[in-house]
Amino acid sequence: SQTIHQWPATLVQPVGSPLSLECTVEGTSNPNLYWYRQAAGRGLQLLFYSVGIGQISSEVPQNLSASRPQDRQFILSSKKLLLSDSGFYLCAWGRVLTYGYTFGSGTRLTVV
Amino acid sequence: AQKITQTQPGMFVQEKEAVTLDCTYDTSDQSYGLFWYKQPSSGEMIFLIYQGSYDEQNATEGRYSLNFQKARKSANLVISASQLGDSAMYFCAMRGPNRDDKIIFGKGTRLHILP
Repeated sequence: SQTIHQWPATLVQPVGSPLSLECTVEGTSNPNLYWYRQAAGRGLQLLFYSVGIGQISSEVPQNLSASRPQDRQFILSSKKLLLSDSGFYLCAWGRVLTYGYTFGSGTRLTVV
Repeated sequence: AQKITQTQPGMFVQEKEAVTLDCTYDTSDQSYGLFWYKQPSSGEMIFLIYQGSYDEQNATEGRYSLNFQKARKSANLVISASQLGDSAMYFCAMRGPNRDDKIIFGKGTRLHILP
């Protein structure tokens, strides 16, 4: 069966520090991968998606970047965090239309 | 462009009552999929139910059913016999017909089940 792993679960980082969040998928190949951000009590904002290795599409220009170095690995990064980068980050993968996306357990990022 | 609208930011419902969470959508695609997700306080996103645009019958999954009214572009989630564990944020979502189409989400409805 397919599983998705996302870490760390929580992170507190100072303003100006770098960021690296990792997401890996098991049990499938060539998945579409997605990074979403959710501000407190708000909906989900799509940040990046990838349909293959090295292929990244950005939905919202911002302080973040994404990379897909391997088929089942998706990384969200920042060189210098801003206070506004705080939020709940969710990784997801999708393949079969009828089941939508499967989400990771999320990373709660607080920039201080 | 596709759009999902959830007009109820919050709802309070007595335990064991049925709940209807509203969702309307807009799309120019003839083929599309509609989803509902549940997000408890832990933050995980749990897939609840799916409805295809060409499905003639409303989707059902246990206590969840999707009241699909295509002409009105409505896809309401109905939870029968609500339980305390149903307290969570609920998101309506939609996706186009192609594998690479992205899912778009509504802003969500926070459901509180009262004992």
